[in-house]
Amino acid sequence: GAGVSQSPSNKVTEKGKDVELRCDPISGHTALYWYRQSLGQGLEFLIYFQGNSAPDKSGLPSDRFSAERTGGSVSTLTIQRTQQEDSAVYLCASSPSQGYGYTFGSGTRLTVV
Amino acid sequence: AQTVTQSQPEMSVQEAETVTLSCTYDTSENNYYLFWYKQPPSRQMILVIRQEAYKQQNATENRFSVNFQKAAKSFSLKISDSQLGDTAMYFCAFSPYNNDYKLSFGAGTTVTVRA
Repeated sequence: GAGVSQSPSNKVTEKGKDVELRCDPISGHTALYWYRQSLGQGLEFLIYFQGNSAPDKSGLPSDRFSAERTGGSVSTLTIQRTQQEDSAVYLCASSPSQGYGYTFGSGTRLTVV
Repeated sequence: AQTVTQSQPEMSVQEAETVTLSCTYDTSENNYYLFWYKQPPSRQMILVIRQEAYKQQNATENRFSVNFQKAAKSFSLKISDSQLGDTAMYFCAFSPYNNDYKLSFGAGTTVTVRA
């Protein structure tokens, strides 16, 4: 596609439920990143995928968070047993190589009630 | 670990005027990248300008320019001839040269351009 596509745009879920957030990067971009933006805050790094290399998961806040990237393209961020503090905008970005020329998606706003 | 500080939560500027946003950072790295990103209400982060630390010349991009002071670890953004479309949240960001995929962001400055 022309840009990074994220779905859903907004998600409201009940505390304790699992959610899946999807990111479809720009075709041909080998690097994919997930960031979290809490209300009034900057972006917090979550996870990074580069080609077939093992992902850098050092930013995931707890073991309730996981992400995968299938076929080097689409990525899914899964949050299990959601908590209210998980409420945030989750932004995905991709780039043609490590760190250069990030393109961000419009994010998924997750609200846990 | 790197920290990025934006000390101005909000700024307001009259259309066609100039506004300067401040950013300071803390790092022990010698080579790194600095960025300014714009986030309009659409939520999409848009790269405004990028500076490589080993370049002394300040980066410019049309009406946007930076004042990079490496010794002071300061990286301010100047928006000249402000336009209504510049209204957005602006984030300063840092990445180390060797692991340049990890961006560290400041808390952001909300800029409102008044007609």
